[in-house]
Amino acid sequence: GDSVTQMEGPVTLSEEAFLTINCTYTATGYPSLFWYVQYPGEGLQLLLKATKADDKGSNKGFEATYRKETTSFHLEKGSVQVSDSAVYFCALKRNRDDKIIFGKGTRLHILP
Amino acid sequence: EPEVTQTPSHQVTQMGQEVILRCVPISNHLYFYWYRQILGQKVEFLVSFYNNEISEKSEIFDDQFSVERPDGSNFTLKIRSTKLEDSAMYFCASSGGQGSTDTQYFGPGTRLTVL
Repeated sequence: GDSVTQMEGPVTLSEEAFLTINCTYTATGYPSLFWYVQYPGEGLQLLLKATKADDKGSNKGFEATYRKETTSFHLEKGSVQVSDSAVYFCALKRNRDDKIIFGKGTRLHILP
Repeated sequence: EPEVTQTPSHQVTQMGQEVILRCVPISNHLYFYWYRQILGQKVEFLVSFYNNEISEKSEIFDDQFSVERPDGSNFTLKIRSTKLEDSAMYFCASSGGQGSTDTQYFGPGTRLTVL
């Protein structure tokens, strides 16, 4: 069945470092891809999305490109801040389905 | 900015008891969802609800689970006879419509602990 695999955490970086969180997926057809973020004590918030191959989603300095050839949707940010500390979830959704399929989440710690 | 709210934030119950988890979706949304996350595991889809009936459900959503929209604002998840393995964080979500382009907005979750 469809699934999402993302890198294990926690990931610890210093402020202003470059961030990559890897995500790969398995799905039939052409799903939409998402990154959700969960800040401490809050719900899951949509960070960015891409709905077709080669689309780039971006928000708050974060970017991810839908790569069908490598079935990947890696999250990147050029310069992280302490406020980016959170858990990041990669996810997919097929058009015909209601459900979102999530990865396990990657906890990110940014040190000042 | 409108948001999904959930109550309570933490519920502790004894095995075999019934629990009701409550959610207030965003007011003009039409689709409602429940997901859960067992500690250390993935967020898993339970059920979607539209036009007062279940639209889709997972194999996790068995006869001990039910959902209801009792009035114009609340959306509830009932677990009839809780088991230890029901301990998890339960997330409610809503969206304005169906389809991959419609964002699902999530609440902060209810942590259910079954003793």
